[in-house]
Amino acid sequence: EVQLVESGGGLVQPGGSLRLSCAASGFTFRSYAMTWVRQAPGQGLEWISVISHSSMSTYYAKSVEGRFTISRDDSENTVSLQMNSLRAEDTAVYYCARVEDSGYYYEGWFDPWGQGTLVTVSS
Amino acid sequence: QSALTQPASVSGSPGQSITISCTGTSSDVGRYNHVSWYQHHPGKAPKLIIYEVTKRPSGVSNRFSASKSGSTASLTISGLQNDDEADYYCCSHAGSGIPFVLGTGTKVTVL
Repeated sequence: EVQLVESGGGLVQPGGSLRLSCAASGFTFRSYAMTWVRQAPGQGLEWISVISHSSMSTYYAKSVEGRFTISRDDSENTVSLQMNSLRAEDTAVYYCARVEDSGYYYEGWFDPWGQGTLVTVSS
Repeated sequence: QSALTQPASVSGSPGQSITISCTGTSSDVGRYNHVSWYQHHPGKAPKLIIYEVTKRPSGVSNRFSASKSGSTASLTISGLQNDDEADYYCCSHAGSGIPFVLGTGTKVTVL
């Protein structure tokens, strides 16, 4: 069974840092791009970052560019999101998802998704 | 890159059909056949229901169908059921530098 499990969420002060992890199982992790999507309280889903297979390329939403860094460890089947300079508006549930595609990962779709981990940025 | 525009809410009675629109621009929905749709029950993991504009993953009910015309994609749910009550999001490729853009989301209510 394909499974994604996020961890690392919690309460952090503004300006602080947090590292989220997503453990993957049930598929050949190194063959897939992986992505992070978040949902702030009462808001919709927001795509924030993607990393290609082999870590060859990464992309970020403008709202997090320069503050967040996505990475992957194919030996551990994990994808991580290092979040620095956190702001109140980064408060959200963070989901990781596998990127499926029929050619190029940046033209793909997200399946499956994890259950999410809550990040709260507050003093 | 702005979010794709969806109606905030759509409602229907059991058994009816409803359609959710997803309006983008000539740089995303209008340019690429890489639109996907997701169903999200609050507190649960979002679920893929449509990919590449019209394709349905195995296991997804054929009551879900989708299409695209110009810069607007649409998701239709036929034979509405109580369990269809959820939030629905579209997503599109948006060109170099912005691989993905999500829609604003639509809350479907079954009356």
